[in-house]
Amino acid sequence: GAVVSQHPSWVICKSGTSVKIECRSLDFQATTMFWYRQFPKQSLMLMATSNEGSKATYEQGVEKDKFLINHASLTLSTLTVTSAHPEDSSFYICSVKFEHFYEQYFGPGTRLTVT
Amino acid sequence: EDKVVQSPLSLVVHEGDTVTLNCSYEVTNFRSLLWYKQEKKAPTFLFMLTSSGIEKKSGRLSSILDKKELFSILNITATQTGDSAVYLCAVHSGGSNYKLTFGKGTLLTVNP
Repeated sequence: GAVVSQHPSWVICKSGTSVKIECRSLDFQATTMFWYRQFPKQSLMLMATSNEGSKATYEQGVEKDKFLINHASLTLSTLTVTSAHPEDSSFYICSVKFEHFYEQYFGPGTRLTVT
Repeated sequence: EDKVVQSPLSLVVHEGDTVTLNCSYEVTNFRSLLWYKQEKKAPTFLFMLTSSGIEKKSGRLSSILDKKELFSILNITATQTGDSAVYLCAVHSGGSNYKLTFGKGTLLTVNP
């Protein structure tokens, strides 16, 4: 069964509004959660890495004030896209890493469309 | 900067064919290489390889790593239409944050 859930699975919002995406680890506590963005026909681009209880580490070129990450517990991380613009329209995917394992397990993704 | 290159970028075959997908990498402090299958949604984990020469197998899929030549292959035998997907290769290059560097993927289309 699913290891990671994301909510919502798709969202349409107006330009200038903010959108929150949740990522939950269902069965196990995740030491680290990752947020990726994927544009059509492109590979996954890592946006940020978050560890529970500490500030997220953002990749170069990703605006931390625009993409707010809150990793409040070992099973929940949220990504808030603030003041969304049409160019933020993309597929946002989270993944989790469990202690002592290298592989990451991905959530089903959230398709964001900003009109 | 870590780099992962997959080839071919796309491939069209007929059911029953065997395909080989390639992944080469240049990373510092290599730890492991992972293969994922992505259909319409998020990637699903296939294999993780850490040692050279040891084949990982799951049904019709198999994969092997060559750490000397810095590449891995993913084989799919007796392909089925359900194998149609993007296959992603990713490398974990150590560091405390465990981040993965992904290749661009190979789009496999299996026609009936």
